[in-house]
Amino acid sequence: DQQVKQNSPSLSVQEGRISILNCDYTNSMFDYFLWYKKYPAEGPTFLISISSIKDKNEDGRFTVFLNKSAKHLSLHIVPSQPGDSAVYFCAASAINAGGTSYGKLTFGQGTILTVHP
Amino acid sequence: DTEVTQTPKHLVMGMTNKKSLKCEQHMGHRAMYWYKQKAKKPPELMFVYSYEKLSINESVPSRFSPECPNSSLLNLHLHALQPEDSALYLCASSLRGSDTQYFGPGTRLTVL
Repeated sequence: DQQVKQNSPSLSVQEGRISILNCDYTNSMFDYFLWYKKYPAEGPTFLISISSIKDKNEDGRFTVFLNKSAKHLSLHIVPSQPGDSAVYFCAASAINAGGTSYGKLTFGQGTILTVHP
Repeated sequence: DTEVTQTPKHLVMGMTNKKSLKCEQHMGHRAMYWYKQKAKKPPELMFVYSYEKLSINESVPSRFSPECPNSSLLNLHLHALQPEDSALYLCASSLRGSDTQYFGPGTRLTVL
């Protein structure tokens, strides 16, 4: 049972344009969401997060939107740069659930973003 | 500073060997994690330590043995591994279990 889904395996965007990466989740206990960027053979790098009490969080070129009713979040990168080319993982946790869920991050399958010059 | 360090960067071992992976952070984080990542897959949680105590074991085989000697250090002891255990092993830490996790660069493990 995949609780966090990234339905687009890949996305190709022109430099300077907007990149939109999508993520859906099924577990209504999830209340904290994160985006990580990963290059091959390296660890994931934290990009941005959002708590379920918000619907938007912005940090420079990165904005994350959360639609709780649709159980959907998206990452917008504006403007896209060739250095943004990487695998992007959406992750979710249930920080207020406690017990065996505490500290457990569930990842989506990842989306490969390619930004062309 | 959000640095988590891992050693070694690469490790090749036979199925009868015993080896250890090391992870270190000096950010004052009290939660530390081991993940396993296979090619083209997301990271999969193996273990969680909270305040130096094992709080989550995701049904990991006993040939993987975690150890948290102090709040800055996390080890993963490996014994009698199988070729299918070859993967990128990632360590992460967070201030507490409810906070953002920061990952190290990983150890690329190959079991022959």
